[in-house]
Amino acid sequence: DTGVSQNPRHKITKRGQNVTFRCDPISEHNRLYWYRQTLGQGPEFLTYFQNEAQLEKSRLLSDRFSAERPKGSFSTLEIQRTEQGDSAMYLCASSLASPSGGSEKLFFGSGTQLSVL
Amino acid sequence: AQTVTQSQPEMSVQEAETVTLSCTYDTSESDYYLFWYKQPPSRQMILVIRQEAYKQQNATENRFSVNFQKAAKSFSLKISDSQLGDAAMYFCAYRSSGGSNYKLTFGKGTLLTVNP
Repeated sequence: DTGVSQNPRHKITKRGQNVTFRCDPISEHNRLYWYRQTLGQGPEFLTYFQNEAQLEKSRLLSDRFSAERPKGSFSTLEIQRTEQGDSAMYLCASSLASPSGGSEKLFFGSGTQLSVL
Repeated sequence: AQTVTQSQPEMSVQEAETVTLSCTYDTSESDYYLFWYKQPPSRQMILVIRQEAYKQQNATENRFSVNFQKAAKSFSLKISDSQLGDAAMYFCAYRSSGGSNYKLTFGKGTLLTVNP
């Protein structure tokens, strides 16, 4: 168990540029989540995958955001035409779905800190 | 929609003492899960303790315990024998056991400082 890995750890970009983040979950985990955390706030849910299927997207995820999880393995989160309001930490988490659902344990990565200048 | 409120932005405790972090939540559901997560400067969220709403017994994990008051919708975290390594942001979180049980709703967090 090597944990959830996120790259890059930091990303600085100029407004209007596109950025892509990568998340490598724990290998046997079938669920993968993306959260966004701004300064002074708790993480907010963005989207969720069960295997390769994206099952839910938050209203926070505008059309400029897209997430993929090809083959149910790693996931990417792309932000197009970045805006200063996109500056935040983007957290990835993974879990192994259990029959009881909500009791499953989420494992988080260390996040990617995005700064849009 | 569920909401989670942490009314203490910051707390401090002396090493070896006990501290309690508060959390209240709002939900119309009867079955759900509650969690406390720790986020140290390394930024990685770490699960501290979890409670199933259908269980009356308060969860305990070593020095960490909760006081779960379902009727009052209160879920406080008690840290006993505080250690320097306990210093971190602590987040209370809610998760439905129903159809939307895939996502966590977090509070804004409490920054805990441990003084030597």
